[in-house]
Amino acid sequence: DVKVTQSSRYLVKRTGEKVFLECVQDMDHENMFWYRQDPGLGLRLIYFSYDVKMKEKGDIPEGYSVSREKKERFSLILESASTNQTSMYLCASSPPPWGREAFFGQGTRLTVV
Amino acid sequence: ELKVEQNPLFLSMQEGKNYTIYCNYSTTSDRLYWYRQDPGKSLESLFVLLSNGAVKQEGRLMASLDTKARLSTLHITAAVHDLSATYFCAGSGGGADGLTFGKGTHLIIQP
Repeated sequence: DVKVTQSSRYLVKRTGEKVFLECVQDMDHENMFWYRQDPGLGLRLIYFSYDVKMKEKGDIPEGYSVSREKKERFSLILESASTNQTSMYLCASSPPPWGREAFFGQGTRLTVV
Repeated sequence: ELKVEQNPLFLSMQEGKNYTIYCNYSTTSDRLYWYRQDPGKSLESLFVLLSNGAVKQEGRLMASLDTKARLSTLHITAAVHDLSATYFCAGSGGGADGLTFGKGTHLIIQP
């Protein structure tokens, strides 16, 4: 089975802190994604990556950055956390070609106080 | 740019009833996905529909795809409480940015 693992289920951080959300997949997938999910807004794509060291902005990249130094790991970074970044964050991976089925991690519920 | 619209966004129904969730998409999508999300949990893949006329069934859920109408449906037969969840459809616009999701249908099935 494909496994996508996010490092934390729940996080509470203070405003202004630098926050790292880690995601690891074990299926050698090229494509990895970070989404945030908010009530009434569905899933919104923050960043994605289709190869090591490659990254592309999604629909809502402001306030976030990412890192992909190894194929299996995709990190989401909140440079200076703000309360409006309180959300559920979902990592996903998929094999090539583009548009294949995405497999999701268990999610990280981040609260910024 | 692919847009995906689901309706209804909220559905409350009684056990034993049948209902259909609709998923319309705006441009060509070469495949269509249905996911389920339980409260506080992540998304679990339910169905992958690959071609026009595709129909997949799992238990009381059946999904279909009409690419000409740009419509997919998720039909629930004789609903049971365990099917209460949020259901998402997602399409692929063919780009590297992966899947485009609908806003989800929050389904509550009451005993």
